[in-house]
Amino acid sequence: DTGVSQNPRHKITKRGQNVTFRCDPISEHNRLYWYRQTLGQGPEFLTYFQNEAQLEKSRLLSDRFSAERPKGSFSTLEIQRTEQGDSAMYLCASSFRNTQTETQYFGPGTRLLVL
Amino acid sequence: SQQGEEDPQALSIQEGENATMNCSYKTSINNLQWYRQNSGRGLVHLILIRSNEREKHSGRLRVTLDTSKKSSSLLITASRAADTASYFCATVRISSGSARQLTFGSGTQLTVLP
Repeated sequence: DTGVSQNPRHKITKRGQNVTFRCDPISEHNRLYWYRQTLGQGPEFLTYFQNEAQLEKSRLLSDRFSAERPKGSFSTLEIQRTEQGDSAMYLCASSFRNTQTETQYFGPGTRLLVL
Repeated sequence: SQQGEEDPQALSIQEGENATMNCSYKTSINNLQWYRQNSGRGLVHLILIRSNEREKHSGRLRVTLDTSKKSSSLLITASRAADTASYFCATVRISSGSARQLTFGSGTQLTVLP
């Protein structure tokens, strides 16, 4: 399977715990995005990497959230001191730098439930 | 914030009928894309229409774009039960950091009854 993969697919945690999600993009894609999707809503942009550089962060990304992309390959998204409001689907997407018609390919997502 | 807003929020049709979903947006765009999401899964890219295009076809999909009205529509012809999913429009804005930020609407839940 050469698509975007995410692990774990599901995560249940207690409030206050830390969680980490992993995204493996399509291998030749140099751009990587994280989105968050709550029930009944469309995804919302969280952050963006070009290669290993994190170039943009949304205001949605509070201080408890941190994302990395060491060596410009896989990426991790960590949430510290989780809150019930963090419960959502976390989606990763990757793309290859192009002109205006860049297509983002999404992974299956990690569904987080904070109890 | 959600820029694109889909209409209707939910649509139920019989297999073989056509399904039309509309999307409105607020700011200028580089292009507009439509995605599909099966329940609890990731999003699948369906079709992209550039800001200088008015209509585009792909198989049973037809997308129109009216930049003067800041609206787009997605038509699925001869629908099948397998088309049951949520459909999202997403506008693309090239941000200062060069990200192609996708801004999604809240989606249209399409149910195709066999």
